[in-house]
Amino acid sequence: SQTIHQWPATLVQPVGSPLSLECTVEGTSNPNLYWYRQAAGRGLQLLFYSVGIGQISSEVPQNLSASRPQDRQFILSSKKLLLSDSGFYLCAWSRSGLRGTSTGNTIYFGEGSWLTVV
Amino acid sequence: AQSVTQLDSHVSVSEGTPVLLRCNYSSSYSPSLFWYVQHPNKGLQLLLKYTSAATLVKGINGFEAEFKKSETSFHLTKPSAHMSDAAEYFCVVSADYGSSNTGKLIFGQGTTLQVKP
Repeated sequence: SQTIHQWPATLVQPVGSPLSLECTVEGTSNPNLYWYRQAAGRGLQLLFYSVGIGQISSEVPQNLSASRPQDRQFILSSKKLLLSDSGFYLCAWSRSGLRGTSTGNTIYFGEGSWLTVV
Repeated sequence: AQSVTQLDSHVSVSEGTPVLLRCNYSSSYSPSLFWYVQHPNKGLQLLLKYTSAATLVKGINGFEAEFKKSETSFHLTKPSAHMSDAAEYFCVVSADYGSSNTGKLIFGQGTTLQVKP
């Protein structure tokens, strides 16, 4: 079965410090990978998605970046955190390689990482 | 463009009574719809999904949802609420169509379900 892990679960970082959140998926190959942010317990906003190693698409301009150094590893980073970066970050994955077939591919989420920027 | 609207931000029921969480969608093509549940400080768990097969979709933990195209609705129901059902529920539509497979999801604002003993 497939599993997704992300860490750390919680962190408190000062403004201007760097950030690195990591996510790995097991039990599948070549997944689509995603980073979402949830602010103030509301709906999720897609930040980045990746359909392959080194392929990153950004959904919103922001202070964050993402990288995919390996097939099942997805990293969310920032060089200098802002107060507005605080929130709940969720990594997620879905099966890929289905272009041209049915849509509505299910997305599976990790447990999330709470980031508080102080 | 696709969108979802969850009609209630907060629903309160007594344990053992039915649950109804309402969701309306807007889509220019046949949508793929999902319900996710989020317990406090946890990630999201898929309850069920609709992808143009049966209009009545059964999910985990006794939940089900019915896709009604004429009403553009995808309401979530459960016959009997349990205390463990207390959580945040999100109605979600896929932004993909045709050959697109980005996996982008559009989330509703969420409904908080409270279950009273």
